[in-house]
Amino acid sequence: GAGVSQTPSNKVTEKGKYVELRCDPISGHTALYWYRQSLGQGPEFLIYFQGTGAADDSGLPNDRFFAVRPEGSVSTLKIQRTERGDSAVYLCASSPGIAADTQYFGPGTRLTVL
Amino acid sequence: QKEVEQNSGPLSVPEGAIASLNCTYSDRGSQSFFWYRQYSGKSPELIMFIYSNGDKEDGRFTAQLNKASQYVSLLIRDSQPSDSATYLCAVNPPNQGGKLIFGQGTELSVKP
Repeated sequence: GAGVSQTPSNKVTEKGKYVELRCDPISGHTALYWYRQSLGQGPEFLIYFQGTGAADDSGLPNDRFFAVRPEGSVSTLKIQRTERGDSAVYLCASSPGIAADTQYFGPGTRLTVL
Repeated sequence: QKEVEQNSGPLSVPEGAIASLNCTYSDRGSQSFFWYRQYSGKSPELIMFIYSNGDKEDGRFTAQLNKASQYVSLLIRDSQPSDSATYLCAVNPPNQGGKLIFGQGTELSVKP
């Protein structure tokens, strides 16, 4: 079956612009996670959803970052007033429930802020 | 102190040898531990998870957990060049749903 998909695969933007990154989880998966991975580092947790609600957003770096999952399926990560330090690969993962053992990652979106 | 620490490597082993990858974690209440493999330019792929002290084997891979020492390791037997990748250790903190805290990863290179 289809895995987690993310669009776009690459996004280049200018400092100060607004961007949206999309994640389509595996069908039926209720939990959805966003991570950010910088070069040479492990993924860094940002936020996770159980259904439509954000169960834990403690990893969002500041109020420029926001994520939604209005219908409990597709999620969008929104970044306002982008900064060069936001450049990274943004990874999405989903799982059937909130157990971490069945977390499947998407291919990621590489964001470059010029 | 980082929550999850790994030696960044690179770790180089000859083909057929045993590769040993190590990880320590700081939250003594953690209960779930994971090893992910990440090829260059690709997303992480789950190899194994372990919850109980001791060893857990799956094919050529063995995960080892010692909660008293806050230490988890991954052994890869009969290493193959196709095992060359970055191996990420991840910990699920207690009472935080499925949130994973990752180490920085250890780069493994298996030489033919």
